[in-house]
Amino acid sequence: QKEVEQNSGPLSVPEGAIASLNCTYSDRVSQSFFWYRQYSGKSPELIMSIYSNGDKEDGRFTAQLNKASQYVSLLIRDSQPSDSATYLCAVNDGQAGTALIFGKGTTLSVSS
Amino acid sequence: GAVVSQHPSRVICKSGTSVKIECRSLDFQATTMFWYRQFPKQSLMLMATSNEGSKATYEQGVEKDKFLINHASLTLSTLTVTSAHPEDSSFYICSADPTGRETQYFGPGTRLLVL
Repeated sequence: QKEVEQNSGPLSVPEGAIASLNCTYSDRVSQSFFWYRQYSGKSPELIMSIYSNGDKEDGRFTAQLNKASQYVSLLIRDSQPSDSATYLCAVNDGQAGTALIFGKGTTLSVSS
Repeated sequence: GAVVSQHPSRVICKSGTSVKIECRSLDFQATTMFWYRQFPKQSLMLMATSNEGSKATYEQGVEKDKFLINHASLTLSTLTVTSAHPEDSSFYICSADPTGRETQYFGPGTRLLVL
């Protein structure tokens, strides 16, 4: 059974701080990793994808991947109240057309 | 790019009726689309994988005769909830996988309320 684990939170950070979201996965053959943001009552929105070990930066977001440790993380710098949402980690085996395996999500709350 | 639409966004129906939800990829072709269901404060649950021109693959525990999926073209998949009951009330979300890529893009979701 392939699993993706996330701390459900809530993770509370003050405005301007760095929020760190973590995710582990069970299947070593996983090749593609994604972070989605889901606001309450809305559908998930893709914010980052990462395929290689190391860091990938996009604006205030940095995804980090360590395949040896089966660990992927998302850092949000200069957190804003608008970042308050549930963040979903997802992985797949790298083949187009296969379903993503989602974690249950981490709820982030950024206080002003 | 990579826009997915769903219609309707919200539907209220009486118990026993059938409801059809459409999922369209607007600016790309998708040989594969996915249907999810999400109950309040719970995680996404994959219901089925919809493949253009072939039968859908259903996840364990999802009744294929109750949740009919048709993927008639590379830009449209439909989910029909047949003989809906109050326990089917949920947020139904589709996602599409652009042909030749791995990333999935989600539609805005359809909120179903069965009275």
